[in-house]
Amino acid sequence: GQNIDQPTEMTATEGAIVQINCTYQTSGFNGLFWYQQHAGEAPTFLSYNVLDGLEEKGRFSSFLSRSKGYSYLLLKELQMKDSASYLCAVSPPYSSASKIIFGSGTRLSIRP
Amino acid sequence: GAVVSQHPSWVICKSGTSVKIECRSLDFQATTMFWYRQFPKQSLMLMATSNEGSKATYEQGVEKDKFLINHASLTLSTLTVTSAHPEDSSFYICSARGTSEGYEQYFGPGTRLTVT
Repeated sequence: GQNIDQPTEMTATEGAIVQINCTYQTSGFNGLFWYQQHAGEAPTFLSYNVLDGLEEKGRFSSFLSRSKGYSYLLLKELQMKDSASYLCAVSPPYSSASKIIFGSGTRLSIRP
Repeated sequence: GAVVSQHPSWVICKSGTSVKIECRSLDFQATTMFWYRQFPKQSLMLMATSNEGSKATYEQGVEKDKFLINHASLTLSTLTVTSAHPEDSSFYICSARGTSEGYEQYFGPGTRLTVT
């Protein structure tokens, strides 16, 4: 099965940088996703990593190390609207339907 | 592009009744749709994977006779919660993936179900 761990809550300051870590344990791997979810809304896609390294998209970057079963989401120049839950999700191996399994999510609060 | 809609956005029903939730891909053909349930302050739990024209694959612990899934066309999947109970009250979210959409899943806006 899949075991995905990420911190439950984090707090950061507007304008600062925050890194949200995610570790996973799986016997195989088809890629790792990060989603953002505001309260009461559906998740929105942020990033997808299948190879090791850093993927940068504007203020958001995502890093993956497959050998360590580790990923992080880096948010720069934090804005108040970045207050949300950030969900790490893994695509299980041999999954022809490309289903993804979500971690418990990290609730990020941004203070002025 | 890649918009997914859900209907209704919220519903209140009485215990013992059934509720149907629709998930539609508006501008692409969704060969696969996924149904999730999310309780307050918890993450999304995958309930089932739905492929067009075939039976849904349910995750362990999800009762297939209680949560009926039908994926009759490439743009529509439905989830029917049968004989609903208050513990079924939750946020139900669908996502869709098309053959040309790559790895990404596109999520619907969710349906808030309250069973009284």
